[in-house]
Amino acid sequence: ETGVTQSPTHLIKTRGQQVTLRCSSQSGHNTVSWYQQALGQGPQFIFQYYREEENGRGNFPPRFSGLQFPNYSSELNVNALELDDSALYLCASSLDGWHEQYFGPGTRLTVT
Amino acid sequence: GESVGLHLPTLSVQEGDNSIINCAYSNSASDYFIWYKQESGKGPQFIIDIRSNMDKRQGQRVTVLLNKTVKHLSLQIAATQPGDSAVYFCAERDTGTASKLTFGTGTRLQVTL
Repeated sequence: ETGVTQSPTHLIKTRGQQVTLRCSSQSGHNTVSWYQQALGQGPQFIFQYYREEENGRGNFPPRFSGLQFPNYSSELNVNALELDDSALYLCASSLDGWHEQYFGPGTRLTVT
Repeated sequence: GESVGLHLPTLSVQEGDNSIINCAYSNSASDYFIWYKQESGKGPQFIIDIRSNMDKRQGQRVTVLLNKTVKHLSLQIAATQPGDSAVYFCAERDTGTASKLTFGTGTRLQVTL
């Protein structure tokens, strides 16, 4: 176990709705990265937060947004859900942006 | 549980044999490479990493080889065990974007008894 936790485990939403996913980082880690993993593919980088500031973003639209809190836990918010947003959402924590990233178990989001 | 990598390349290996999983990367600026193992229903698990100033790095039962000339990375698993069955991903990071890991498509390793 990596010590990274995510909630909820599974979630079903309807197209057009909004969703918030949560991640608690490993103790001592101040950096959280979020990834989207579609079925049969490798994880795709969404963005990273370092000490409550966004520190890099992948090729995802603005309706994907995030937050990092003073305790370094993080949220991923997705607005106006689309069917293609159905995926496993992974968060990973690290000591900082340069150290290895440890992944949580993921949240499976299904958009109908 | 989760189904990861339904249509991925598959490598079948007998228990006790050595496994070699290959990965090609495209970014010449990548300076750090990692191998992850992902079991069904779980997030990727860090196995071993290597920096671009090295050609080889060994861990417990695993070895990573890096060939920068042809942009190729491989993971060797010695004495493969049933518990090694999973999907394996290589990931790269380039110097200019320390925050971002770019993952390959993955390889499913099936260990037969």
